[in-house]
Amino acid sequence: GIQVEQSPPDLILQEGANSTLRCNFSDSVNNLQWFHQNPWGQLINLFYIPSGTKQNGRLSATTVATERYSLLYISSSQTTDSGVYFCAVEQGGDYKLSFGAGTTVTVRA
Amino acid sequence: NAGVTQTPKFQVLKTGQSMTLQCAQDMNHEYMSWYRQDPGMGLRLIHYSVGAGITDQGEVPNGYNVSRSTTEDFPLRLLSAAPSQTSVYFCASRTGGLTQYFGPGTRLLVL
Repeated sequence: GIQVEQSPPDLILQEGANSTLRCNFSDSVNNLQWFHQNPWGQLINLFYIPSGTKQNGRLSATTVATERYSLLYISSSQTTDSGVYFCAVEQGGDYKLSFGAGTTVTVRA
Repeated sequence: NAGVTQTPKFQVLKTGQSMTLQCAQDMNHEYMSWYRQDPGMGLRLIHYSVGAGITDQGEVPNGYNVSRSTTEDFPLRLLSAAPSQTSVYFCASRTGGLTQYFGPGTRLLVL
């Protein structure tokens, strides 16, 4: 099956700092989503982004499908950004989202 | 809309017991799925359904059963619980190929 690798595994930020999370995948995909799991365990969809660039407030994401990677940018980080960020991909409309192991982000005040 | 709901929130089982994790959605989504999340790992797909009456296996289906008699409900059955099934279980739903919505999760401990 498709491999999804996220880096870095852990990230510690000072409040106000910017950061970039990376997701590499091993094959072509038709669906890529970024999720945030908050410290209480709730999974929230951040972006549906199989290609191109999107922005939502302080978060933005870029997927370069031809080079098989996606980036999630967090700007002016806040303590509420803490949690685990997951990248998930799907091939050929098979409805099977495959998740990476996640990046754990800790934002310190 | 309540979105995706799951019950119970937390459950303790003894080895060999059976139980059903409930999942319901009120968004009229065709596609529903079950994942398990273990410490330090991402989510792994257990079973999924593309519509009422249609189910299929995901990455880790052994020891679990599902059925989809209605669009709204997608229960997950543990046939004979084992300690290896201690995990957090998430149900999800979506329409077409777009944004996936997750329920709040069920924490299961098998002793």
